Amino acid sequence: DAGVTQSPTHLIKTRGQQVTLRCSPKSGHDTVSWYQQALGQGPQFIFQYYEEEERQRGNFPDRFSGHQFPNYSSELNVNALLLGDSALYLCASSLVQGREETQYFGPGTRLLVL
Amino acid sequence: AQSVAQPEDQVNVAEGNPLTVKCTYSVSGNPYLFWYVQYPNRGLQFLLKYITGDNLVKGSYGFEAEFNKSQTSFHLKKPSALVSDSALYFCAVRAYSSASKIIFGSGTRLSIRP
Repeated sequence: DAGVTQSPTHLIKTRGQQVTLRCSPKSGHDTVSWYQQALGQGPQFIFQYYEEEERQRGNFPDRFSGHQFPNYSSELNVNALLLGDSALYLCASSLVQGREETQYFGPGTRLLVL
Repeated sequence: AQSVAQPEDQVNVAEGNPLTVKCTYSVSGNPYLFWYVQYPNRGLQFLLKYITGDNLVKGSYGFEAEFNKSQTSFHLKKPSALVSDSALYFCAVRAYSSASKIIFGSGTRLSIRP
């Protein structure tokens, strides 16, 4: 049973560029959440996708956008990259069962913006 | 607003001794509480959760956590520490009323010396 997978593992971009990160959820899961983890900090919630729609969003600017596909996989897009966007981006998947969903995390994509 | 506090940046314990990693939370209504562990250059691994019921929750790798509603705490414990337990530990909370947003603490680095 494959867990949550993310690609790529590492990425280097320059300021102003755009980046797309990808996530495949754990088998049987239908919900994908994205988090940003800056160095030395806990993960910060970006947004969550369920049934191909953004269900909830954290305090991130519109430069951060996402998409969920019919197979439940998801993409995170960041436009106009800033140096401060350098971080580990984590994807988590879950199965919505009432309100008791547990989120399982992928290994993350480490983004460096130069 | 939801928040989580992990008052100790680092906890040092000798192998074989009991360990405790502290966590306090603030949330409106009933909380869902989680502990995750992060090894170097890895994503987060789910350890355990409290939803309702018994205040003592048992999880993976011999860890357990005690929910204390009056003190709004959810401390992580293990009776006998292993060197392999050395990692970064995150406490997280989600409000019952929140569809998805999980708030993480800043993390506690656990170091087990042989």
